[in-house]
Amino acid sequence: DAGVIQSPRHEVTEMGQEVTLRCKPISGHNSLFWYRQTMMRGLELLIYFNNNVPIDDSGMPEDRFSAKMPNASFSTLKIQPSEPRDSAVYFCASSFTELYGYTFGSGTRLTVV
Amino acid sequence: ILNVEQSPQSLHVQEGDSTNFTCSFPSSNFYALHWYRWETAKSPEALFVMTLNGDEKKKGRISATLNTKEGYSYLYIKGSQPEDSATYLCAFYNNAGNMLTFGGGTRLMVKP
Repeated sequence: DAGVIQSPRHEVTEMGQEVTLRCKPISGHNSLFWYRQTMMRGLELLIYFNNNVPIDDSGMPEDRFSAKMPNASFSTLKIQPSEPRDSAVYFCASSFTELYGYTFGSGTRLTVV
Repeated sequence: ILNVEQSPQSLHVQEGDSTNFTCSFPSSNFYALHWYRWETAKSPEALFVMTLNGDEKKKGRISATLNTKEGYSYLYIKGSQPEDSATYLCAFYNNAGNMLTFGGGTRLMVKP
């Protein structure tokens, strides 16, 4: 298995633009997590899905952020409109069971100028 | 909200020094404790998963112990090398929850 695949690796966009981050979890994993890494808060959980259903989105900063998981092999995190304070590294992780932990993707480094 | 604390937040050691740091977690409803190694500009990678009180795991120069009754785990690195420089994260799972709770990490820097 190629692991958790995120795209793009890097994204530079102008303030106000829409940004879409993509994630392909490991096949067979039934939970998917979106995290944001910042200097101030470390690894911050934004939202997680179980069997494609959003379970907890309390970490999503505000209405500008939305996430979908239309099927077991694909998820998106969208920011519209983007702001400079959204600049961070966004990680996707997937899991079969918490006993085995999570497998993280390589992250998307987002810069909003 | 589950409280998972790691100490110290950061640590500078010389190459060859041995070091250890702590992860504290709630002792009730324990199910599993994970350690991850997170190098700069990379993604967190799993080191150990520990489930039983008294568990001790080892991978090369890195080892970890677990005390579920008092709610702590230690990570030890023997003879630190510059390539050990990373953030070490612990993550706790209890059988009342449905996801891992991560600590804030210990950032280790090993000077050559």
